[in-house]
Amino acid sequence: GAGVSQSPSNKVTEKGKDVELRCDPISGHTALYWYRQSLGQGLEFLIYFQGNSAPDKSGLPSDRFSAERTGGSVSTLTIQRTQQEDSAVYLCASRQGQGVWGTQYFGPGTRLTVL
Amino acid sequence: ELKVEQNPLFLSMQEGKNYTIYCNYSTTSDRLYWYRQDPGKSLESLFVLLSNGAVKQEGRLMASLDTKARLSTLHITAAVHDLSATYFCASHNFGNEKLTFGTGTRLTIIP
Repeated sequence: GAGVSQSPSNKVTEKGKDVELRCDPISGHTALYWYRQSLGQGLEFLIYFQGNSAPDKSGLPSDRFSAERTGGSVSTLTIQRTQQEDSAVYLCASRQGQGVWGTQYFGPGTRLTVL
Repeated sequence: ELKVEQNPLFLSMQEGKNYTIYCNYSTTSDRLYWYRQDPGKSLESLFVLLSNGAVKQEGRLMASLDTKARLSTLHITAAVHDLSATYFCASHNFGNEKLTFGTGTRLTIIP
């Protein structure tokens, strides 16, 4: 079946602009995660959604970052007033259910470049 | 706070040789994952290890977990070129859902 999809695949923006990144998880997966991958910081957890529960936002680096998940499916990560240090690949992952053996399946990522 | 360390960071090895990548984590964890990432691509799940002594094998790759030592290993047997990639281990925190990733090991197999 279809995997996790993300759009756009690449985004170039100017410093100070807002950007929205989209994630479509695997159908039926209730858990959705956002991670960021950059040269200096490796892979960092940003935020986690599970069903209708309040999201775990503990990884968001600043209040310029926010995310929502509509209808328990599609998620949007928004970065306001982008800075050059926001340049990274943003990865979305989804997982089925809450079983301890569930694997997170990753999307192809969105490469964000802030000029 | 859970910390995950991998070594080596870079590994260049000849085809046909064996080698091991090490993954140490700092606090109790209930799951250990190994992922592969090809250049410009996303992460591909390789193994999930759930309990002490767990061993999983797929082709030339074998992963094991020692929860007492807080150590997982990824062993490569008789390496071939198409195993060239970056390999990440990730540990799952008790009590929450986030994965903490190691720094990755960039593996290059030389013909």
